[in-house]
Amino acid sequence: AQTVTQSQPEMSVQEAETVTLSCTYDTSESDYYLFWYKQPPSRQMILVIRQEAYKQQNATENRFSVNFQKAAKSFSLKISDSQLGDAAMYFCASGGYQKVTFGTGTKLQVIP
Amino acid sequence: EAQVTQNPRYLITVTGKKLTVTCSQNMNHEYMSWYRQDPGLGLRQIYYSMNVEVTDKGDVPEGYKVSRKEKRNFPLILESPSPNQTSLYFCASSLYGTEYNEQFFGPGTRLTVL
Repeated sequence: AQTVTQSQPEMSVQEAETVTLSCTYDTSESDYYLFWYKQPPSRQMILVIRQEAYKQQNATENRFSVNFQKAAKSFSLKISDSQLGDAAMYFCASGGYQKVTFGTGTKLQVIP
Repeated sequence: EAQVTQNPRYLITVTGKKLTVTCSQNMNHEYMSWYRQDPGLGLRQIYYSMNVEVTDKGDVPEGYKVSRKEKRNFPLILESPSPNQTSLYFCASSLYGTEYNEQFFGPGTRLTVL
């Protein structure tokens, strides 16, 4: 069984500043991946970044990076130089081979 | 263009009237899945399919049926919809399983059951 917890229902950040979204997970899978998805007002689900659990190095994608703490089962997303287009709902997810479990989401507001 | 399509995008129906939401992908993906999204609950997996004729229950399968007769299609069937199935539904596909491969999501179907 997998659970994913996002404890921050809403967050805000000033444009150009940095923000970190928190996520903790629990899984019985030995091999798994972790994901952050972005859902803008258009409702489209967009993959932001993913992390292989067996890799110690934290994944980065341009302004997006993660802090993966395997022992603590923590997978936070850091957004640097926040832009207005980053305003969206962000979902953390944990995936084994067959199933993916999503968190409840964090709504990010970017203040001009 | 590689994509996952869903139809209809919006649907208002009444309790008990059978409906089908279609999902189709053109990427030759083996894995397909259905999710529902509800406020405060995130996305929850309804059913998934690892390949043609292979389907399995997700976390919230009650009240839903699926079939996978062709690789590209994965329809979601509500035999007798009820108001608690009012939700935003997403279909997704990936090349194989969900462990490594990125899931590509459809645009969503907003369903209202009166």
